[in-house]
Amino acid sequence: AQKVTQAQTEISVVEKEDVTLDCVYETRDTTYYLFWYKQPPSGELVFLIRRNSFDEQNEISGRYSWNFQKSTSSFNFTITASQVVDSAVYFCALSSGYSSASKIIFGSGTRLSIRP
Amino acid sequence: EPEVTQTPSHQVTQMGQEVILRCVPISNHLYFYWYRQILGQKVEFLVSFYNNEISEKSEIFDDQFSVERPDGSNFTLKIRSTKLEDSAMYFCASSEAPEGTGELFFGEGSRLTVL
Repeated sequence: AQKVTQAQTEISVVEKEDVTLDCVYETRDTTYYLFWYKQPPSGELVFLIRRNSFDEQNEISGRYSWNFQKSTSSFNFTITASQVVDSAVYFCALSSGYSSASKIIFGSGTRLSIRP
Repeated sequence: EPEVTQTPSHQVTQMGQEVILRCVPISNHLYFYWYRQILGQKVEFLVSFYNNEISEKSEIFDDQFSVERPDGSNFTLKIRSTKLEDSAMYFCASSEAPEGTGELFFGEGSRLTVL
C-alpha cells in the first residue's frame, strides 16, 4: 500500500524563523517519486519539487531545502528565514511506478502560518 | 509558460443536477487527470486518462462520474446527479508521456458547491 503521512497538522512560527515540515512515506515499489506542493490561500496547487527514489541528494533552492532519506522513508522540507508569503498549506506526495505520470497520493497537508 | 486552464472557477448547483467541469490541458501533454479536494482535506485522485480511455480510477470515481476528451483539446469531468458530498474543489492536471519529465501540471481548480 502507498501512503504519505504528514504528522504536523498546523505549524505557526514568527517571521524569519526556520521551519521544517515532516513527511514520511510508505511504498513497496523500488521506483517512486516524491513531491512537495504548496497551496496558498487562493487555492491553486503550486509544484515545488520532484525527487526520484534513486536520487538521495539533498536539494536547495533559495530559502527552500529538501532532505530525502530512504533509510527513514522521509522527505522533509525546510524553509529558512520564513516570510509571511510562505503561509500556505504544504502537501507532500508520492507517485509509485515506472513513470511519475502515475497517480499521485497526497498527504493530508501541513498548514503553515508565518506571523509577522 | 504553458498552463492548464479550468472552467468554471466556481459553480453552484442544486442536488441532483448534472455538472460538467472543463479543462484545457497543456497542448503537447498526453496524460490527463482529475483530482478532488474537499474543503480542508487532502487532495484525492479521481481518474487518469490516456489514449482516449481511462487508465486508472479511484473508488471515489463511481458510476456518477465520467470523463471525456470530446474534441482533442478539452478534457471534461461530468457528474451526472450531484450529491451534497460532491461539493469540493476539482483539479485537472496533465503531464507529458512517461518518457518526458512526468511532472503534473495542475489547473487552478473548479470549486463545486452543491446545495
